[in-house]
Amino acid sequence: EVELVESGGGSVKPGGSLRVSCTTSGFNIDKAYMNWVRQAPGKGLEWVGRIKSKSDGETTDYAEPVRGRFSISRDDSKDIVYLQMNSLKSEDTGVYYCIAVRFSDWFFFDYWGQGTLVSVSS
Amino acid sequence: QSALTQPASVSGSPGQSITISCTGTSSDVGSYDYVSWYQQYPGKAPKLIIYDVKNRLSGVSNRFTGSKSGNTASLTISGLQAEDEADYYCNSYTTETTYVFGTGTRVTVL
Repeated sequence: EVELVESGGGSVKPGGSLRVSCTTSGFNIDKAYMNWVRQAPGKGLEWVGRIKSKSDGETTDYAEPVRGRFSISRDDSKDIVYLQMNSLKSEDTGVYYCIAVRFSDWFFFDYWGQGTLVSVSS
Repeated sequence: QSALTQPASVSGSPGQSITISCTGTSSDVGSYDYVSWYQQYPGKAPKLIIYDVKNRLSGVSNRFTGSKSGNTASLTISGLQAEDEADYYCNSYTTETTYVFGTGTRVTVL
């Protein structure tokens, strides 16, 4: 059974940093493109970014609001994906979901984690 | 990349059909047949219901139908049921190799 478990969320002051993790199981992470999506309280979904598989160069893409501040990395030997968030702003507050796109020719999000809450406030 | 445009809310009586539109541009919805739809209940993670414009995920009721014309995709729910009351989001792959979600639609069963 595919499972994604996010961890590392919490409270941080504006300008601070936080790293959240996504531990995966039940599928071959080596081939997967891993994505992060966030949802501000009471608001809609926002795609944050993606890291491709190692065989595809671990290329990353990010949404414009987080480009240059957030970075995604992966450790396939541990089945973990990371989202490093720097220079955090209040508008980064929300639930962050980890999503596996299991094959490179799939363009939809079929497995989601339960999410981890990040709160940016002074 | 601006969010895809969805109506904020749609409502219908049990048994009726409703349609949720998702309007993008030639850089996203209009460029690829990579539109997907997600259902989200309060406090829960979203769930995929439709992918690649019109394909239902295994186990999803055939009351859900997806389609696309030009820069606008649509999700139709027929035979509306109380359990369909939720938030719905569309999503599209873009020419910038990113993804963009719709603004979201709250479906209310009267």
